[in-house]
Amino acid sequence: ELKVEQNPLFLSMQEGKNYTIYCNYSTTSDRLYWYRQDPGKSLESLFVLLSNGAVKQEGRLMASLDTKARLSTLHITAAVHDLSATYFCAVDGETSGSRLTFGEGTQLTVNP
Amino acid sequence: DGGITQSPKYLFRKEGQNVTLSCEQNLNHDAMYWYRQDPGQGLRLIYYSQIVNDFQKGDIAEGYSVSREKKESFPLTVTSAQKNPTAFYLCASSVLPGTSSYEQYFGPGTRLTVT
Repeated sequence: ELKVEQNPLFLSMQEGKNYTIYCNYSTTSDRLYWYRQDPGKSLESLFVLLSNGAVKQEGRLMASLDTKARLSTLHITAAVHDLSATYFCAVDGETSGSRLTFGEGTQLTVNP
Repeated sequence: DGGITQSPKYLFRKEGQNVTLSCEQNLNHDAMYWYRQDPGQGLRLIYYSQIVNDFQKGDIAEGYSVSREKKESFPLTVTSAQKNPTAFYLCASSVLPGTSSYEQYFGPGTRLTVT
């Protein structure tokens, strides 16, 4: 059974600071996805990582994938209040077809 | 505009009643999914379908049923057998396996409250 673990689950940080969210998964996969969810809203796709060593950046967010370590990171640079949201990683295992397994989510609060 | 629509946005039902949630997509995606999200929790897969007239159970299928009569539509019925149906329900779609990415696109969700 594929397991996806995120940490931390809750993150409170000050504006201007840097931090990293970690996503570990338990089975072989080279496809990992990051989503953002605002309170009461649906999920919005942020990054699609499709190979070992993949790195994607959008604004103050940068995601990377290390398939050998079964680890993805979402790095936040100089956080701003607008980044406050819940961030999910999701993985599809090699035998799971098109199914994704989601992590529990990291609830990020950026304080002024 | 291509996308996924879900209706209604909010739904209130009495305990013991079946209720059907609508999901329609015009992205020409073959695969569609239903997830349940409880407050402060991640997403759990209820059912998914990769082709018309075929679907598979996800991790929490008990008390739910689906149909896939058209490529564009994947309605979810929450039956009276579902013991705790109050939740936020999200529908998603994606291309099929065999392509490089199974990125799933999500609808706006339906918030179901059963009292």
